Amino acid sequence: QVQLVESGGGVVQPGRSLRLSCAASGFTFRSHGMHWVRQAPGKGLEWVAVIWYDGSNKYYADSVQGRFTISRDNSKNTMSLQMNNLRAEDTAIYYCARDVRAGGMDVWGQGTTVTVSS
Amino acid sequence: DIQMTQSPSSLSASVGDRVTITCQASQGISNHLNWYQQKPGKAPKLLIYDAFNLQTGVPSRFSGSGSGTDFTFTISSLQPEDFATYYCQHYDNFPRVTFGPGTKVDFK
Repeated sequence: QVQLVESGGGVVQPGRSLRLSCAASGFTFRSHGMHWVRQAPGKGLEWVAVIWYDGSNKYYADSVQGRFTISRDNSKNTMSLQMNNLRAEDTAIYYCARDVRAGGMDVWGQGTTVTVSS
Repeated sequence: DIQMTQSPSSLSASVGDRVTITCQASQGISNHLNWYQQKPGKAPKLLIYDAFNLQTGVPSRFSGSGSGTDFTFTISSLQPEDFATYYCQHYDNFPRVTFGPGTKVDFK
């Protein structure tokens, strides 16, 4: 079945780095753009980044621009989010999601939790 | 940046009630709006795309309308499994997208 599975979350100190992964299965991964969306504890949804189906274009929310890098490996059906210089306000559940119709998100992973704390 | 507001921020309703949520954009976004449902501890689920189109597999009691700056999401007859938080999301600035603040629907 169509599935996205995130991994890589954990507890990290401010200023450190963490790399999240998203493994896709059940669909033609290389045909879809992919997003990262996060949700801070008790808060709403915040879009983080998107990568084109072929990796040719990447865009970021202002809050993570210059600190986070999105990438993908279509040969392995995986997407990643490299998070550097983490801040307390980056604490959240991070979801990967499949793009549909240029802006919708029709398949979501279960999320992976990132906690930034000293 | 286009700002999204939702109202109400929360509401209490009973099974069988008709529930309406509004989403307003700070400037016109045509029909570039989606609606999602999120249950506690779960990932969001796409319900409505392009303002009024029902995503495949979503029950017909869910509907959306609107264009420009004002949008409405309706549940015609609330079911027990519909108690959740609902988010609008615009993609008028795609590839950047923005979610509304959410509306929590709980049991009266």
